[in-house]
Amino acid sequence: GQNIDQPTEMTATEGAIVQINCTYQTSGFNGLFWYQQHAGEAPTFLSYNVLDGLEEKGRFSSFLSRSKGYSYLLLKELQMKDSASYLCAPVKGGNMLTFGGGTRLMVKP
Amino acid sequence: DSGVTQTPKHLITATGQRVTLRCSPRSGDLSVYWYQQSLDQGLQFLIQYYNGEERAKGNILERFSAQQFPDLHSELNLSSLELGDSALYFCASSVDIDRGNEQFFGPGTRLTVL
Repeated sequence: GQNIDQPTEMTATEGAIVQINCTYQTSGFNGLFWYQQHAGEAPTFLSYNVLDGLEEKGRFSSFLSRSKGYSYLLLKELQMKDSASYLCAPVKGGNMLTFGGGTRLMVKP
Repeated sequence: DSGVTQTPKHLITATGQRVTLRCSPRSGDLSVYWYQQSLDQGLQFLIQYYNGEERAKGNILERFSAQQFPDLHSELNLSSLELGDSALYFCASSVDIDRGNEQFFGPGTRLTVL
């Protein structure tokens, strides 16, 4: 089965750094995706990690520890447009994603 | 624009009715996935198709069914609708079903059951 845990809500200030954590227990683990979703819109891809370590992509970075069942998404130089939900999604064989409830991030001026 | 299209954008219907949601994947993508997102709920995986064949089922009710046609577009059929079926229904597609294949999401169909 799958069990995904991430904070429900977070608040941060424009220009700051925020880290969104995700812990998971999943069978047949084949990597982990992070998606961003603005309210009422489609999720959009942010990152994919399959090996342990940090993947950096511009202002966003994602980290994975397979042995600990842990990942985080790091957002730097926060902008108001980063206010959205961030979805952690471990992937199983056959490219099946299971999404956590998401973390709603509010960026304040 | 992800390249995945879904129609209709909005759908309002009554309890007990049946509706069909349509999805066209990105050009070249063979796999289609359906998700349901209720108000304040996470994305729930419903069903996956790959090149016309059903590959995996998630939390899909027996009142719901889907298929993928030879041209790779997919339809999700919802019958005997209940108030609780009101939700955003997303379709996503990916090139293949190998691990790490990014899923591209369509804009969704917002279903309201009155």
